[in-house]
Amino acid sequence: DTAVSQTPKYLVTQMGNDKSIKCEQNLGHDTMYWYKQDSKKFLKIMFSYNNKELIINETVPNRFSPKSPDKAHLNLHINSLELGDSAVYFCASSPRRGEQFFGPGTRLTVL
Amino acid sequence: ELKVEQNPLFLSMQEGKNYTIYCNYSTTSDRLYWYRQDPGKSLESLFVLLSNGAVKQEGRLMASLDTKARLSTLHITAAVHDLSATYFCAVDVYSGGGADGLTFGKGTHLIIQP
Repeated sequence: DTAVSQTPKYLVTQMGNDKSIKCEQNLGHDTMYWYKQDSKKFLKIMFSYNNKELIINETVPNRFSPKSPDKAHLNLHINSLELGDSAVYFCASSPRRGEQFFGPGTRLTVL
Repeated sequence: ELKVEQNPLFLSMQEGKNYTIYCNYSTTSDRLYWYRQDPGKSLESLFVLLSNGAVKQEGRLMASLDTKARLSTLHITAAVHDLSATYFCAVDVYSGGGADGLTFGKGTHLIIQP
């Protein structure tokens, strides 16, 4: 069974569109995260959620909004997509202060 | 701001050789992680180092942590082609407010040639 899953795996869209990426974990973890990996493979934390509360929010444009309907899901909604948003987005989950397990990633291409 | 520096960023080596990847970080932390990433794939957890002096080994890979020096190493013994990948170290700094994300190094792109 997949521990952390994301959909879609690939997302190609036009500038200015709004899109969402879904993430689900079946590990029973308390905390979920979103990371962005750019074209140089640099990984950076975007958000984390702990028990449905946003804990950190790095310097991410407010066009990005995480939504957590329950402890097992953390979706990422992006408004008014820009070329610079093209990247691979990884969802992850962990127990509190524990090892993080990553989803397969969503490759977003903005044209 | 926490900084995590890896070196080298690129390493090409021959099968059978030994080498070490270094990871320095700028803030006190007692948790350090090593991940492996294959091209187009997700991150696979290799090691979780939780205390000063921790040493863990899995096959040809061995990781260690020196929290006083703020240094972790990933040592490769008798490298084989299958170990070719990008290796990331990451540090977890707990602010006390709940959950913080990992701060990653830039990754070491390792190519092992026959």
